[in-house]
Amino acid sequence: TQLLEQSPQFLSIQEGENLTVYCNSSSVFSSLQWYRQEPGEGPVLLVTVVTGGEVKKLKRLTFQFGDARKDSSLHITAAQPGDTGLYLCAVPSSGTYKYIFGTGTRLKVLA
Amino acid sequence: ETGVTQSPTHLIKTRGQQVTLRCSSQSGHNTVSWYQQALGQGPQFIFQYYREEENGRGNFPPRFSGLQFPNYSSELNVNALELDDSALYLCASSSRQSYTEAFFGQGTRLTVV
Repeated sequence: TQLLEQSPQFLSIQEGENLTVYCNSSSVFSSLQWYRQEPGEGPVLLVTVVTGGEVKKLKRLTFQFGDARKDSSLHITAAQPGDTGLYLCAVPSSGTYKYIFGTGTRLKVLA
Repeated sequence: ETGVTQSPTHLIKTRGQQVTLRCSSQSGHNTVSWYQQALGQGPQFIFQYYREEENGRGNFPPRFSGLQFPNYSSELNVNALELDDSALYLCASSSRQSYTEAFFGQGTRLTVV
């Protein structure tokens, strides 16, 4: 059983469109991170959310942590080809210092 | 750029051989974690080192081992390589004071043939 389920698994859209990807779990987390990973590179941290209901914005990206701290969403406005990549959510495992990653959403934005 | 560097960037090994991967952590970070990322999947935790000692391990066999040095850099060693060990190996550094954020290196792409 995967602790963090991300959806959709794949997404291909045209430049300028909006999209939302999701990270869901039945567990409660103290914090949640979103990463973007480009081919052949390591994941790059985009944001950390820690408070239920918290919304953070990073240019055209809007991140929200669910009120119950079990899920999160990432919304991209007016997607650009540079947004192409694998989007991963991750949470610190309770009582340890390891991170558990979601299954990932692979986004392709076509020019 | 995260300040976490890994070497080599790419490596091809034969089944049964041994491999050592290296990671230099970001300045000020005393904790290093290693992850394995198979193609099309999210990273899977291998183990973590803090102050030169293993501090947690994922579901990986003993032929996966590691070291951390006094300068907090780290090595991942894999013995008796198997074809399924082919993956991107990622190193992440963090500090105990802010363990909720980890910064990743660019990874080492290991191919076992």
